[in-house]
Amino acid sequence: ETGVTQTPRHLVMGMTNKKSLKCEQHLGHNAMYWYKQSAKKPLELMFVYNFKEQTENNSVPSRFSPECPNSSHLFLHLHTLQPEDSALYLCASSQQGFATNEKLFFGSGTQLSVL
Amino acid sequence: KNQVEQSPQSLIILEGKNCTLQCNYTVSPFSNLRWYKQDTGRGPVSLTIMTFSENTKSNGRYTATLDADTKQSSLHITASQLSDSASYICVVSALSNDYKLSFGAGTTVTVRA
Repeated sequence: ETGVTQTPRHLVMGMTNKKSLKCEQHLGHNAMYWYKQSAKKPLELMFVYNFKEQTENNSVPSRFSPECPNSSHLFLHLHTLQPEDSALYLCASSQQGFATNEKLFFGSGTQLSVL
Repeated sequence: KNQVEQSPQSLIILEGKNCTLQCNYTVSPFSNLRWYKQDTGRGPVSLTIMTFSENTKSNGRYTATLDADTKQSSLHITASQLSDSASYICVVSALSNDYKLSFGAGTTVTVRA
């Protein structure tokens, strides 16, 4: 195990639903990330939280809303999603938030299907 | 155009055989290059991290090489096992103190008995 836990592992939702993805890290890290992984495409950075403050919103549509109540927990709230939002959503953490120089630890992801 | 290109997109090998995956990048200035292994339905797990001064690094049966002059890296898998079936992702970071990494699309390796 990587020390980063994501729930649920799988999620199917309609376009009018509201759901939330949860991520928890047990590594004592200060930075947490949300990535989107679509089939056959590179990982796309969505959001970065460093010491609970959002330091990056990579032009993500407002139907995705992150929340970071403390350094160990990260949520991604979903509403009125589109079918093209179907993907694997990965949470990651690192020690200080300088991912270019630090090791990233990933969770197992939430496989999201939007119908 | 993606700054990290991997080839081949996928490959199939027989158990016990060796294989080599390629990664070409244009990220500059270069800081480090990482290889991750991602099993189906799981998140990526780090295999190796190499900085500018390192040209080879091993992790068990995985050996990564780096040529910073030609901006190329390879990952060699020796004596493949069924558990090596996974996607292998090359990730390159620029010399900056932030969080922006450049990811390749991955090479999917299937090991058959």
